Amino acid sequence: KAGVTQTPRYLIKTRGQQVTLSCSPISGHRSVSWYQQTPGQGLQFLFEYFSETQRNKGNFPGRFSGRQFSNSRSEMNVSTLELGDSALYLCASRTGTGNEKLFFGSGTQLSVL
Amino acid sequence: KNEVEQSPQNLTAQEGEFITINCSYSVGISALHWLQQHPGGGIVSLFMLSSGKKKHGRLIATINIQEKHSSLHITASHPRDSAVYICAVGSPNTGNQFYFGTGTSLTVIP
Repeated sequence: KAGVTQTPRYLIKTRGQQVTLSCSPISGHRSVSWYQQTPGQGLQFLFEYFSETQRNKGNFPGRFSGRQFSNSRSEMNVSTLELGDSALYLCASRTGTGNEKLFFGSGTQLSVL
Repeated sequence: KNEVEQSPQNLTAQEGEFITINCSYSVGISALHWLQQHPGGGIVSLFMLSSGKKKHGRLIATINIQEKHSSLHITASHPRDSAVYICAVGSPNTGNQFYFGTGTSLTVIP
């Protein structure tokens, strides 16, 4: 069974640009959640999608948005990038039907210059 | 105020030692997760607990719901256990948002 796939692995952008990250979950998993990891703040929850609907949301500004497609693949978008958005962005998938383990992708390392 | 507190922040052990990492939380939870992160970023979920105790190989995780506390134990530690261990909780009180501890960096010396 293929794992969670995130693309791209690395990304360099400049301030003010926007970026879209992609996450393909494990087959059969309908929940995809997104996280930001920085050395200063650690891991922080961004949002979770289940069956194309945002189910939960963390405390991030509206510049951070996401969506999920009918095949459960999810994208995360960050608009008007700031230097502080430089981070490792991770997604995780699970079936979403109860309390269960999370399966993480390898992450996208975003650098904003 | 951090909803999840971990201790210690850093831990160095000799190979073979018994290791304990602690996690305390202040929110109501639906489940607690122990995660392992190796250099390079990849995160692996070790355990998901809502009560009691779970064991997998040399790893044991326990949770005390009344005391809002969980521990991760590693028996007979090995250099390959060197990683960052992160405690995370899902809280139904805040729409099942996840809260994370700051992590415990473990180094096991041969």
